[in-house]
Amino acid sequence: KQEVTQIPAALSVPEGENLVLNCSFTDSAIYNLQWFRQDPGKGLTSLLLIQSSQREQTSGRLNASLDKSSGRSTLYIAASQPGDSATYLCAVRLWGSQGNLIFGKGTKLSVKP
Amino acid sequence: DTAVSQTPKYLVTQMGNDKSIKCEQNLGHDTMYWYKQDSKKFLKIMFSYNNKELIINETVPNRFSPKSPDKAHLNLHINSLELGDSAVYFCASSQDGPLSYNEQFFGPGTRLTVL
Repeated sequence: KQEVTQIPAALSVPEGENLVLNCSFTDSAIYNLQWFRQDPGKGLTSLLLIQSSQREQTSGRLNASLDKSSGRSTLYIAASQPGDSATYLCAVRLWGSQGNLIFGKGTKLSVKP
Repeated sequence: DTAVSQTPKYLVTQMGNDKSIKCEQNLGHDTMYWYKQDSKKFLKIMFSYNNKELIINETVPNRFSPKSPDKAHLNLHINSLELGDSAVYFCASSQDGPLSYNEQFFGPGTRLTVL
């Protein structure tokens, strides 16, 4: 059974720092992996999606990597800003799962001015 | 705006009532989903619909029933509401298939409170 773990559960950094959020999954037979951002009381915003054949994806200050063999993904945020404060969720889709995303419990990020 | 929308945003009701949550997507996607986020903020899949056909159904009580009048809508009906149904319910959609990116887009959520 696929399990997705995100470490740390919470992270507080000063503005301007580069930071890494970690996601690990137990079953390497993933179809893709998606990183989301959730602001308090709001929905999920898709940040990056990495297909199983890809190693990384970049969008602005965000870079997500995928290492299927070790069951890990990282989300790198460069030059963090207070507006980056949110909960970051990692989700994997398995082959043949017909769209079912399995989520981690998220990392709550706080960027202090 | 192209998006996934849900109504209502908040729903407060008594135990035993029947309620519905509506979801619409104007992204032209062929698959829609319902997820439940519990009090510990953990998100779990409930249903997905592809071309008006239910294709997955996790261990969800049969009091919950998805209904899709067309490809752009997937409504969630809940009968005989219980206290434990209190949660935030998210609708999502994606364009599936080998030539598609399969990225899921989420609605803003509906916070259901059962008293």
